[in-house]
Amino acid sequence: DVKVTQSSRYLVKRTGEKVFLECVQDMDHENMFWYRQDPGLGLRLIYFSYDVKMKEKGDIPEGYSVSREKKERFSLILESASTNQTSMYLCASTYPGQTYEQYFGPGTRLTVT
Amino acid sequence: KQEVTQIPAALSVPEGENLVLNCSFTDSAIYNLQWFRQDPGKGLTSLLLIQSSQREQTSGRLNASLDKSSGRSTLYIAASQPGDSATYLCAVRPWGGSQGNLIFGKGTKLSVKP
Repeated sequence: DVKVTQSSRYLVKRTGEKVFLECVQDMDHENMFWYRQDPGLGLRLIYFSYDVKMKEKGDIPEGYSVSREKKERFSLILESASTNQTSMYLCASTYPGQTYEQYFGPGTRLTVT
Repeated sequence: KQEVTQIPAALSVPEGENLVLNCSFTDSAIYNLQWFRQDPGKGLTSLLLIQSSQREQTSGRLNASLDKSSGRSTLYIAASQPGDSATYLCAVRPWGGSQGNLIFGKGTKLSVKP
């Protein structure tokens, strides 16, 4: 079974702090994704990566950066957290094979106060 | 721009009913469509994936169909149970979309009453 894990289930941070969210997958997947999910807005893609050290912006990259130093690990960084970044953050991974089926982690509920 | 719509946004049914959840998309040029389940405060669990060349996929009490030409997919749940209560999301992978990106609908929140 594919396993995607995220470093924290719940996180509370203060405005202006630098925040790191980590995601690890154990299936040697090439592609990894960060989404945020908000009521009424659904899932929106922040960044994705298709290889180590490679990244591409998604629909809402402003205020975020990412790091992929190893194939199994994809980190989302909030350089200076703001209250409008309070959200559920979901990581996913996929192997660029026949189906590109996406597998999700359990999510991190981030609150910025 | 591809858009995915799920109607209704919420649905409440008594236990034992068969039900259908709907998903529509605006551009028929898709690689595949995936149905997910999400429990409150949790991540997404993949239920079924239908390739563009397929018409349906089945897993247990779940059956998903795809009509690419009309831009529609349905998720059929047979003999619903309270444990089926969750939000169901559909997502399409656009043809030519980069590296497996998905476009999501906003989901249908299902409540199955005992």
